[in-house]
Amino acid sequence: GAVVSQHPSRVICKSGTSVKIECRSLDFQATTMFWYRQFPKQSLMLMATSNEGSKATYEQGVEKDKFLINHASLTLSTLTVTSAHPEDSSFYICSASLAGLAGGTQYFGPGTRLTVL
Amino acid sequence: AQSVAQPEDQVNVAEGNPLTVKCTYSVSGNPYLFWYVQYPNRGLQFLLKYITGDNLVKGSYGFEAEFNKSQTSFHLKKPSALVSDSALYFCARYSGAGSYQLTFGKGTKLSVIP
Repeated sequence: GAVVSQHPSRVICKSGTSVKIECRSLDFQATTMFWYRQFPKQSLMLMATSNEGSKATYEQGVEKDKFLINHASLTLSTLTVTSAHPEDSSFYICSASLAGLAGGTQYFGPGTRLTVL
Repeated sequence: AQSVAQPEDQVNVAEGNPLTVKCTYSVSGNPYLFWYVQYPNRGLQFLLKYITGDNLVKGSYGFEAEFNKSQTSFHLKKPSALVSDSALYFCARYSGAGSYQLTFGKGTKLSVIP
């Protein structure tokens, strides 16, 4: 149980294009989903917290107009990198939380490797 | 801010030997603590967590961790290391009261040598 999927697993795009990444909780309903970014050999950096049916909360320094997050249902959140540039190349990981319960655990997707040429 | 620290960037251990990956936490609020493992080019897999109760927590793949309040530590342990345990390990805790956001340590790379 508690499986989270991400699609695509890998994407290469040209500079200036937009890329959408999907995050799905497959066997549970997640009221809260999180988006992270990970640089090589570094820890995860939280980008935003997404609650179903409301606007995402972005961490300081993360451009909300560049990284659009939509959490349309209890099992799906999407991250759209708009007008991507090479510096946006990174490993993006989502997680879904069985929130609302004390000690709710985050379950992570397998990640999406974005390469912007 | 509530934080965790992983003092070792890398840990090397021989196959079959016991392994320990260290984690300490800042003393602030209730320390809900987690361990995750990451294999190359993969997301994080949940290993175990401490919320309350027994200080020794048992998790997936034979791993366990001991919550030590006096030393503010939550070290990850396994009695006998496998080569397949080689991966990146992250300690984490909730960021603040009422928040389910996680704050991660910088990660420790574990290499199990055959």
